[in-house]
Amino acid sequence: GNSVTQMEGPVTLSEEAFLTINCTYTATGYPSLFWYVQYPGEGLQLLLKATKADDKGSNKGFEATYRKETTSFHLEKGSVQVSDSAVYFCALSTNSGYSTLTFGKGTMLLVSP
Amino acid sequence: DTAVSQTPKYLVTQMGNDKSIKCEQNLGHDTMYWYKQDSKKFLKIMFSYNNKELIINETVPNRFSPKSPDKAHLNLHINSLELGDSAVYFCASSQVKNEQFFGPGTRLTVL
Repeated sequence: GNSVTQMEGPVTLSEEAFLTINCTYTATGYPSLFWYVQYPGEGLQLLLKATKADDKGSNKGFEATYRKETTSFHLEKGSVQVSDSAVYFCALSTNSGYSTLTFGKGTMLLVSP
Repeated sequence: DTAVSQTPKYLVTQMGNDKSIKCEQNLGHDTMYWYKQDSKKFLKIMFSYNNKELIINETVPNRFSPKSPDKAHLNLHINSLELGDSAVYFCASSQVKNEQFFGPGTRLTVL
C-alpha cells in the first residue's frame, strides 16, 4: 500500500535559520506529491506540489523536489520566519481512479525570534 | 466567500449521543472527503464521495454515516458517540485527481 514517512518533530529553529523537513514515500505507480501546512487552530492549506519526477514545487520561499530515485520530497526553506511556525504534512496521491491523499504524521515547526 | 465551510467548529457532547457535522463547498468540485485527525495530528481518510456517490469507505465503523444531498454538500452523522471519536474532523473537496481544499475543521469532544 501507499505510505508517507516524515521526520518526527518538533523542529525548533531560530528566525532566519535554514529548514529541511525530510519526507519519503512508498507508492505503486507514479504518485503526485504535496506539502500541506496547518497553522494553529486552522485547516490544512496546500503549500506546494509536484506531479512528476524531477518537478520542483515552490511557494512562499519553500521548495521541494520530486526525487523518484530516492522516493523523497524533502521540504526546504532558506530563511524561516516566526510566522512559519505550523505543522507540515507531506502527502501523496496516486493518479489512478478515485485517489485520496495519504498523509505523513506531520512535523511541527517552531520558530523563535 | 469561504471555499469549504464546516459547522459547527466545536462540538462537545456526551457518550451515546448522536450528532451531525455539516460541510459545504462553493468551488464547483465534484468530489468531497471526510478526514479524521487524532490527538497526535495524524490525518486519515474516512470517506470520499464523487457526484453524491460513495467511492471510498476506509473501514470506518457503521456508526458513521455520510450523506451527500448534492454535489456541494457532504454531511457526517455519528450515532452512539464513543470517547474514541474525539478528534478534529476535516472536510475537503477537489476535482477528481486534483489538489484538495480543506475546511477549517470541527473539533469533536466526547465526554
